[in-house]
Amino acid sequence: SQELEQSPQSLIVQEGKNLTINCTSSKTLYGLYWYKQKYGEGLIFLMMLQKGGEEKSHEKITAKLDEKKQQSSLHITASQPSHAGIYLCGADKAPGAQKLVFGQGTRLTINP
Amino acid sequence: GEEVAQTPKHLVRGEGQKAKLYCAPIKGHSYVFWYQQVLKNEFKFLISFQNENVFDETGMPKERFSAKCLPNSPCSLEIQATKLEDSAVYFCASSQFDAVSNQPQHFGDGTRLSIL
Repeated sequence: SQELEQSPQSLIVQEGKNLTINCTSSKTLYGLYWYKQKYGEGLIFLMMLQKGGEEKSHEKITAKLDEKKQQSSLHITASQPSHAGIYLCGADKAPGAQKLVFGQGTRLTINP
Repeated sequence: GEEVAQTPKHLVRGEGQKAKLYCAPIKGHSYVFWYQQVLKNEFKFLISFQNENVFDETGMPKERFSAKCLPNSPCSLEIQATKLEDSAVYFCASSQFDAVSNQPQHFGDGTRLSIL
């Protein structure tokens, strides 16, 4: 069973629209990572969040970690076809554990 | 190199045969990880190395799976007597050592293993 719950499982948006993907855990997250995967390819690292309330942005993608460190969101502004893919959140199981657990992924489709 | 390099990209084996997968981590990274991705994007941690030493092998099936990271050689994951259920994409990742906090893991493109 997944220890991280992602929502929604799939998302179809019109090009140019904004969207948000959520990642929730019942336990405190010691490190939260967002990755993007395209079919047949590996995971591309997007961002890492470690502190409660932390927010990071890269180009049109913003990721936040709540103060309790149990929920993270990934927000894409003015979506483009290049944003299409599967977004996965991953988390450290414990401090220094050096192994990740993943959510089940969110499949994002961008319609032109 | 600057990327995690996994070979082969695809591997087909008959049930009962041996399968061996290779991974060259990013130069300078101390940690290497193996994950198995099965249906519906479910990732399962298998094993991790710190340099050539096993760091955590709690995810490894005890009987048929083995892995190594030897100096000056690609890391390897070997499956003996493969079963149909071993069909999956196997990902390797590497990360830098940091005494204060974990560093992000960088993934290779995976090896798709098909057991017939």
